[in-house]
Amino acid sequence: DAGVIQSPRHEVTEMGQEVTLRCKPISGHDYLFWYRQTMMRGLELLIYFNNNVPIDDSGMPEDRFSAKMPNASFSTLKIQPSEPRDSAVYFCASSSGQADTQYFGPGTRLTVL
Amino acid sequence: GESVGLHLPTLSVQEGDNSIINCAYSNSASDYFIWYKQESGKGPQFIIDIRSNMDKRQGQRVTVLLNKTVKHLSLQIAATQPGDSAVYFCAENGSGNTGKLIFGQGTTLQVKP
Repeated sequence: DAGVIQSPRHEVTEMGQEVTLRCKPISGHDYLFWYRQTMMRGLELLIYFNNNVPIDDSGMPEDRFSAKMPNASFSTLKIQPSEPRDSAVYFCASSSGQADTQYFGPGTRLTVL
Repeated sequence: GESVGLHLPTLSVQEGDNSIINCAYSNSASDYFIWYKQESGKGPQFIIDIRSNMDKRQGQRVTVLLNKTVKHLSLQIAATQPGDSAVYFCAENGSGNTGKLIFGQGTTLQVKP
């Protein structure tokens, strides 16, 4: 298996622009997680899905952030409009069960100027 | 509230020595713990896990110890190698069996040749 796939690997955009991050989980995994990592706050869970349904979005910073999972093999995290404080590395992870190991993708490094 | 913390932000060891990375957790209801390794520019990589019905688990060159009495978790790396240099995170599943993981802030392991 190729593991969790994320795109793009790097994104540089200007404040106010829309940003869309993409994730393909490991085939057969029912759980998908979106995290944000910064030096100041470490690794934070933003939202997670079970069988394509959002279960907990309490970590989503504000209404500018939204996430979707239209099918079992694809999820997006969108920021609109983006702000400089959104600059971070965004990770997607997937797992096969509720209490199972989460496997992380390589991340998307987002820079908002 | 729930929290996972690490005792030391940076650990420096000589190549060939054993390393011990510690982690304290606060939620006594947590029953699943994971250690992740994150190399620069990559996503967290699963190392080893342990469930609360065990107090020790061994992998290849790594051992995880769990002390539920004092809510302490440690990762031991035998014969530390330069390739072990990375940030190490502990994570716990918290309460409620939600599938969410709570990550510590991370410990940087530096291996001196």
